[in-house]
Amino acid sequence: DTEVTQTPKHLVMGMTNKKSLKCEQHMGHRAMYWYKQKAKKPPELMFVYSYEKLSINESVPSRFSPECPNSSLLNLHLHALQPEDSALYLCASSQVPTVDNEQFFGPGTRLTVL
Amino acid sequence: QKEVEQNSGPLSVPEGAIASLNCTYSDRGSQSFFWYRQYSGKSPELIMFIYSNGDKEDGRFTAQLNKASQYVSLLIRDSQPSDSATYLCAVIPNTGNQFYFGTGTSLTVIP
Repeated sequence: DTEVTQTPKHLVMGMTNKKSLKCEQHMGHRAMYWYKQKAKKPPELMFVYSYEKLSINESVPSRFSPECPNSSLLNLHLHALQPEDSALYLCASSQVPTVDNEQFFGPGTRLTVL
Repeated sequence: QKEVEQNSGPLSVPEGAIASLNCTYSDRGSQSFFWYRQYSGKSPELIMFIYSNGDKEDGRFTAQLNKASQYVSLLIRDSQPSDSATYLCAVIPNTGNQFYFGTGTSLTVIP
């Protein structure tokens, strides 16, 4: 299995809702990442998990809460989002977070906040 | 600030021509360089990576790295309409713990 999967593909939520995004990989990768991408902009790093531990949080608001239950799974819990949080949320993984490891991206979840 | 810059384009080339995409970076300690292709509404997909100075070829794609001048480029030979996409340059700094993406260059190959 050489892919990163993400569910759901699309999500529409209100500002008072609580929802979660899910990411899974079975490549034995030990680093996983969450990115946010707005239209016509590059991916913007949100979080990095290395060996199931949060290693980087790029000053992301607390309404986004990441979770890494095991080495294959990464969740992003969403609560009280704002309309400006509407974006494509990308998950990626790499073998380990070192200088020579490419990241493989999932297909993304298109999030719309009403 | 680890900046990565690309010409946003759009870059238009006729089918069969060579497309040249450029990327400069500010962190001299950067170690690894990646080119991703992203079709509209899709996720980035890896095209090539390069770590050492010089050229690296893979099919119609050639990556060129010049660490002294702090630039990396991607050449696409015999461009096809299916190459029309946004190309993202990504750099890993010396700390090795995350990518820094450039703003991307939009390429259109005209049939």
